[in-house]
Amino acid sequence: EIVMTQSPATLSVSPGERATLSCRASQNVLNNLAWYQQKPGQAPRLLIYSASTRATGIPARFSGSGSGTEFTLSISSLQSEDFAVYYCQQYHNWPRAFGQGTKVEIK
Amino acid sequence: QVQLQQWGAGLLKPSETLSLSCNVYGGSFSDPYWTWIRQPPGKGLEWVGEINPSGITNYNPSLKSRVTISMGTSRNQLSLKLTSVTAADTAVYYCAAGGEWYYFDYWGQGTLVTVSS
Repeated sequence: EIVMTQSPATLSVSPGERATLSCRASQNVLNNLAWYQQKPGQAPRLLIYSASTRATGIPARFSGSGSGTEFTLSISSLQSEDFAVYYCQQYHNWPRAFGQGTKVEIK
Repeated sequence: QVQLQQWGAGLLKPSETLSLSCNVYGGSFSDPYWTWIRQPPGKGLEWVGEINPSGITNYNPSLKSRVTISMGTSRNQLSLKLTSVTAADTAVYYCAAGGEWYYFDYWGQGTLVTVSS
């Protein structure tokens, strides 16, 4: 069973600054990794799939990188609507697994 | 614009069966990948299971003996059944769909299911 570990648990960032979120897989998942954003009271929203491909309608300030076991989600210039919880998920093997989430909060 | 609408009972007693459905509105998928995800109050996301366009299912091993996911004949309707529920099954349950592979860009609104005696 693959375990996904995200860091940090909470990231305090000022609007306009860059945010970098990390996700580590306990086994090689190739590039079979997605990132989701979730705001309070809302369903998750797909941001990135295949580790680095932006989903339809996702702004260019969101970028994903990595392969194998180490992945990064970067938000180049945080906007007010970007403060949320971010989850990574591997879909390389079963059972699918989410990381525990990184909360991006206003500094 | 494609939307997912989900419905089902929100309050169950221990040992009852959770039953949720999810429909596509405003469009259709030809070969959708479907999943159910749940989120206990104040906690993270947990994968429940999935079904691919061929009807092949995979389930979370922690739920496998109790869970069934099925797809309607049009592939645009999804259902979830979870038997013998306990308080540990209390969560918001989401259906989600993707048109290409096991990543999901369409989500239902979520259904809070509470298990309490």
